[in-house]
Amino acid sequence: ENVLTQSPGTLSLSPGERATLSCRASQSVSSNYLAWYQQKPGQAPRLLISGASTRATGIPDRFSGSGSGTDFTLTISRLEPEDFAVYYCQQYGSSPYTFGQGTKLEIK
Amino acid sequence: QLQLQESGPGLVKPSETLSLTCTVSDGSISNNYYYWGWIRQPPGKGLEWIGSIYYSGSTYYNPSLKSRVTISLDTPKNQFSLRLSSVTAADTAVYFCAGHTNWGWFDPWGQGTLVAVSS
Repeated sequence: ENVLTQSPGTLSLSPGERATLSCRASQSVSSNYLAWYQQKPGQAPRLLISGASTRATGIPDRFSGSGSGTDFTLTISRLEPEDFAVYYCQQYGSSPYTFGQGTKLEIK
Repeated sequence: QLQLQESGPGLVKPSETLSLTCTVSDGSISNNYYYWGWIRQPPGKGLEWIGSIYYSGSTYYNPSLKSRVTISLDTPKNQFSLRLSSVTAADTAVYFCAGHTNWGWFDPWGQGTLVAVSS
């Protein structure tokens, strides 16, 4: 299976700062079929990005995704208070679908 | 906008079978656009895809759980279900249902339901 490793495990930043989250795959992700989700406590994950770089409907443009092959990045250009949450990457290019272990974005 | 809602017992005894149902509203489970999947999240941990089913009845399971999982459709009720047999404490988790396209991302999601395995 394609193992996804996210880094860092925890990222401590202040509102207004830029956040850069990494997701590395153990094998190339077919067709860059990689998604990013945001999860807040007690809630289901919310889709942010699909196809490595396409924002989902209603997602603010401060969220952007990039990368290809085995290395992917989620960037939040200017953090808002509501952005502090856990972020997961997920590949859907091969079975079984797999998720990274998550990056917790916390307020510094 | 499709909406999904999980339901089922919140407590299951070890060695028994966990059974959950996902009810789909504001859309048909029989459409050929979506696959219907189950994902779980142990407390404080990450997400694990369990398996998915297509409207035709074709199923796709995570090999790590395949021997214990059955996913089925109830088209008249617009529902799909998960059965996980021989559960242990390691199966304690929040279980989510979600829709996805063929080789696609998960969206939308249900709100999730916590199932604890304990005697």
